[in-house]
Amino acid sequence: EIVMTQSPATLSVSPGERATLSCRASQSVSSDLAWYQQKPGQAPRLLIYGASTRATFIPARFSGSGSGTEFTLTISSLQSEDFAIYYCQQYNNWYTFGQGTKLEIK
Amino acid sequence: QLQLQESGPGLVKPSETLSLICTVSGGPITFNSNNWAWIRQPPGKGLEYIATMYYSGNTYYNPSLKSRVTISVDTSENQFSLKLSSVTAADTAVYYCARHGRSGSNWFDPWGHGTLVTVSS
Repeated sequence: EIVMTQSPATLSVSPGERATLSCRASQSVSSDLAWYQQKPGQAPRLLIYGASTRATFIPARFSGSGSGTEFTLTISSLQSEDFAIYYCQQYNNWYTFGQGTKLEIK
Repeated sequence: QLQLQESGPGLVKPSETLSLICTVSGGPITFNSNNWAWIRQPPGKGLEYIATMYYSGNTYYNPSLKSRVTISVDTSENQFSLKLSSVTAADTAVYYCARHGRSGSNWFDPWGHGTLVTVSS
């Protein structure tokens, strides 16, 4: 099983600043990596697939990068609605999620 | 636009079988070679993949749950279902259904709103 490790567990950032979230795979997953956003009481929402392609209606301030075992989700100029939990998921070798990064207001 | 909605008992007794249904609206469940999946989230914890029913009729189960899980599709009702046997308190979670992308596109989108299932006597 491919283990996905996200860091940090919690990230405190001020509105208007940039947030950088990391996801590491225990073995290469090529670019088969998705990111999801989950707000309290809601289902996860797809943000990014293919490591760097934004899903439909996702704002341009969300960007993904990386390949192989190291991936990054960057949110430029944080808006109030962006404070949430973010999960990565690999789909190269079956399917596993990271444990999540909570993005909180500083 | 495709929408998914989970339904089923909110309370299940230990050792019994948890049964959930996901109703798909906005298009036929067989459209576009769609695959369908279940994912769960224990309270305050992260996401755990459970199972997928592929368009081909094949299934894939999380190895940690495989012995207790069954996923199936009812095309006449535009639904797919999850059965999890011999449940314990550790199976208490919000259960989500989702469309699971085709080969090479195996992300989950969209998701249902989720349904909380509590395992307790």
